[in-house]
Amino acid sequence: RKEVEQDPGPFNVPEGATVAFNCTYSNSASQSFFWYRQDCRKEPKLLMSVYSSGNEDGRFTAQLNRASQYISLLIRDSKLSDSATYLCVVILHNAGGTSYGKLTFGQGTILTVHP
Amino acid sequence: NAGVTQTPKFQVLKTGQSMTLQCAQDMNHEYMSWYRQDPGMGLRLIHYSVGAGITDQGEVPNGYNVSRSTTEDFPLRLLSAAPSQTSVYFCASRAQGALRSFQYFGAGTRLSVL
Repeated sequence: RKEVEQDPGPFNVPEGATVAFNCTYSNSASQSFFWYRQDCRKEPKLLMSVYSSGNEDGRFTAQLNRASQYISLLIRDSKLSDSATYLCVVILHNAGGTSYGKLTFGQGTILTVHP
Repeated sequence: NAGVTQTPKFQVLKTGQSMTLQCAQDMNHEYMSWYRQDPGMGLRLIHYSVGAGITDQGEVPNGYNVSRSTTEDFPLRLLSAAPSQTSVYFCASRAQGALRSFQYFGAGTRLSVL
């Protein structure tokens, strides 16, 4: 089983739709979680951190379910500009031999928003 | 406001040639790393460094060397390029000691090995 798994998609949705992605992780000791966005032929950029109580940033909502070991990203009122690949990132603290922990990326979920 | 700077943006090599991908950050981050990104494989860690003079291997280190003589710079060397090293390479940095710190990425280097 992969350490971090995402449905690669692609998800094709119309403008204004609500879409949700999940990301599962295998190590229950994982402690920090993030969502990144990567545009075509660009570098990944931080979209938002994921907090235990869930958090919202405008049209974006991130949730963490520790019992089932997954994080989710919900996008409401999709815009054409939301088309991108969404990467989840999981950090396993006190691993990898350093205090920085072991950072693992999912393979990404492709979202295409069409008119 | 530079962040993480990578050069070159594009490079074409012939099999067997060597080259160095440059990476510099101006955020005084101790942790720096190199990834390669291939279709269907996601981002894979090549090498990382937790400070000047300290480097370690990641998931796919074979064929690559790194050094860290300063906090700012973390070059990646391909000693003898192979077609399997055709990929997009990203350099990244993270703040020191922050367990919730996220990574900043450079714009990437697109490398083709013929």
